[in-house]
Amino acid sequence: QVQLVESGGGLVKPGGSLRLSCSGSGFMFSDYYMSWIRQAPGKGLEWVSYISRRTGHTDYAHSVKGRFTLSRDDAKKSVYLEMNNLQVEDTAVYYCARGGRGSSGLDYWGPGTPVTVSS
Amino acid sequence: DIQMTQSPSSLSASIGDRVTITCRSSQIISTHLNWYQQKPGKAPKLLVYDSYTLETGVPSRFSGSGSGTDFTLTINNLQPEDFATYYCQQSYSTSCSFGQGTKLEIK
Repeated sequence: QVQLVESGGGLVKPGGSLRLSCSGSGFMFSDYYMSWIRQAPGKGLEWVSYISRRTGHTDYAHSVKGRFTLSRDDAKKSVYLEMNNLQVEDTAVYYCARGGRGSSGLDYWGPGTPVTVSS
Repeated sequence: DIQMTQSPSSLSASIGDRVTITCRSSQIISTHLNWYQQKPGKAPKLLVYDSYTLETGVPSRFSGSGSGTDFTLTINNLQPEDFATYYCQQSYSTSCSFGQGTKLEIK
């Protein structure tokens, strides 16, 4: 069955960096767009970034553009979200999901990994 | 960027009721509109994609409609497990933006 599992979350100081990973199984990873979505405590969902299949084209929310970089390694069935210059407002649970722009919804989600930015 | 606006923000209803949640986009998005259900502490779950297509395994009491800028999610015969927060999301443009959510509570 399809499974997504995130890792790499944790506590970091403002200005610091983290690298989140998302590993997929149970499907042909290279055939799919992959996305990251975050949810700040008590708040709604915010789309963060997606990466296309094949070309690896990426796009980012304005709030993270220039600080976050999304990449993929299809051989390892994984995507990686490099987060730099983290701010307090980046504190959230980060979810990895299958799908992206133009796709028929984000049909599978990981359980999420928490990121806390605090001094 | 495309903004998604849901209404209402919260809703109280009883078991067996029919409820409707509305989502409006700031630009035309054809039928590239998806609906998700989220329960506390859990990842969201896809309910409806491309405006009206039910995801596999989702009960038929859920239905979606709309195109262009105005969309609805309807839940007939509310069941206890339906009390959750619902989000719309557009997959038309690069921002893939979500609505702010509608919390459905038991009356």
